[in-house]
Amino acid sequence: EAGVVQSPRYKIIEKKQPVAFWCNPISGHNTLYWYRQNLGQGPELLIRYENEEAVDDSQLPKDRFSAERLKGVDSTLKIQPAELGDSAVYLCASSLGRDVETQYFGPGTRLLVL
Amino acid sequence: GQNIDQPTEMTATEGAIVQINCTYQTSGFNGLFWYQQHAGEAPTFLSYNVLDGLEEKGRFSSFLSRSKGYSYLLLKELQMKDSASYLCAATDSNYQLIWGAGTKLIIKP
Repeated sequence: EAGVVQSPRYKIIEKKQPVAFWCNPISGHNTLYWYRQNLGQGPELLIRYENEEAVDDSQLPKDRFSAERLKGVDSTLKIQPAELGDSAVYLCASSLGRDVETQYFGPGTRLLVL
Repeated sequence: GQNIDQPTEMTATEGAIVQINCTYQTSGFNGLFWYQQHAGEAPTFLSYNVLDGLEEKGRFSSFLSRSKGYSYLLLKELQMKDSASYLCAATDSNYQLIWGAGTKLIIKP
């Protein structure tokens, strides 16, 4: 079974530039999560989708971050414009359902904003 | 507020046993996860506890005490490949995972 796929793996951009991350969850997983992880910290939830509906986006900085999950499968997370403080690893995870289900993580996208 | 506490770093010797503790305070509780994360890689699932007691899985075991808001991960017969960060995460009443900052485990020969 294929795992969670993310691209790109690494991205270097200058501040004020836009950037987008893509995630393809495990087949059949209805719930998709985007996390941000800073060095030496645990993952911080940005947004959670149940199928195509964003059910928890309270931690998403909506002035510059946006996300979508068209057709309830793939998802894209966008930052526009990027700031220096956005440098982090962006992790996508998926699970079968909303309730207590194991989350499976993709390899992440390491973003460096210069 | 919601909070997860675990030690920042621990050091152990190859072949030995190490216990990584985690205490949690959440709004409601629906279970506790342990994940392993090697440097530069994604977290991978290790264990899930919802009832009090010890769950054993090979060299790794996880314990939960709901009344004390406490869990530990026990690693036996340590190998060099066990060098990683170990993340504790509690599920609150909204089924949201509250993550700890992780414990960096260093294994020495």
